[in-house]
Amino acid sequence: QAGLTQPPSVSKGLRQTATLTCSGNSNNVGRLGAAWLQQHQGRPPKLLSYRNNNRPSGISERLSTSRSGNTASLTITGLQPEDEADYYCSAWDYSLSAWVFGGGTKLTVL
Amino acid sequence: QVQLQQWGAGLLKPSETLSLTCAVYGGSFSAYFWTWIRQPPGKGLEYIGEINHLGSTTYNPSLRSRVTISVDTPKNQFSLRLTSVTAADTAVYYCAANLVGADWSAHDYWGQGHLVTVSS
Repeated sequence: QAGLTQPPSVSKGLRQTATLTCSGNSNNVGRLGAAWLQQHQGRPPKLLSYRNNNRPSGISERLSTSRSGNTASLTITGLQPEDEADYYCSAWDYSLSAWVFGGGTKLTVL
Repeated sequence: QVQLQQWGAGLLKPSETLSLTCAVYGGSFSAYFWTWIRQPPGKGLEYIGEINHLGSTTYNPSLRSRVTISVDTPKNQFSLRLTSVTAADTAVYYCAANLVGADWSAHDYWGQGHLVTVSS
């Protein structure tokens, strides 16, 4: 059972902007933010953003992340076909002393 | 650049013990927490637990009674044992790494994944 809450699916058109959300609580997202991962079918997840909203080397500038309270967001501008994937958020939960993940959002680029 | 390569049995019967190993290439073995994460078919990611190079572990409370993660620092390898498996443990198991000592860290590096199927 997912510890963080993500909408199951989001659909946007080519070259549009998609914003995905991830809701937690004060023990996880609200404490030190959430990381974001992208997963294409049959592949391992790929880190898109650290919990401080910085991107690892090589990640597109079309991706940006932010946090407001207990909710983290991932925004992807200028959607491309290759952006179609599953997106997961993750955070360390200080009350559980464990990593928690969102259930994932399937992004469809129309 | 850290690379992770994992292996282990792929088909188990109920009540057997799952055993997987992950080898680490590149990077500093002491700089990361070495983590196991799983993903049931068609579902999301679940944290199993992690270990550092000194053998200090953290486990998912829901799996703690059945999980053991161990480390072989000289070989740059770490392993997962999950006892008394059931069909609910059928999943792709990933090894992963996140940086020690950084509050902002996340799972930078991932193994290729290993499908474990539990079936009688």
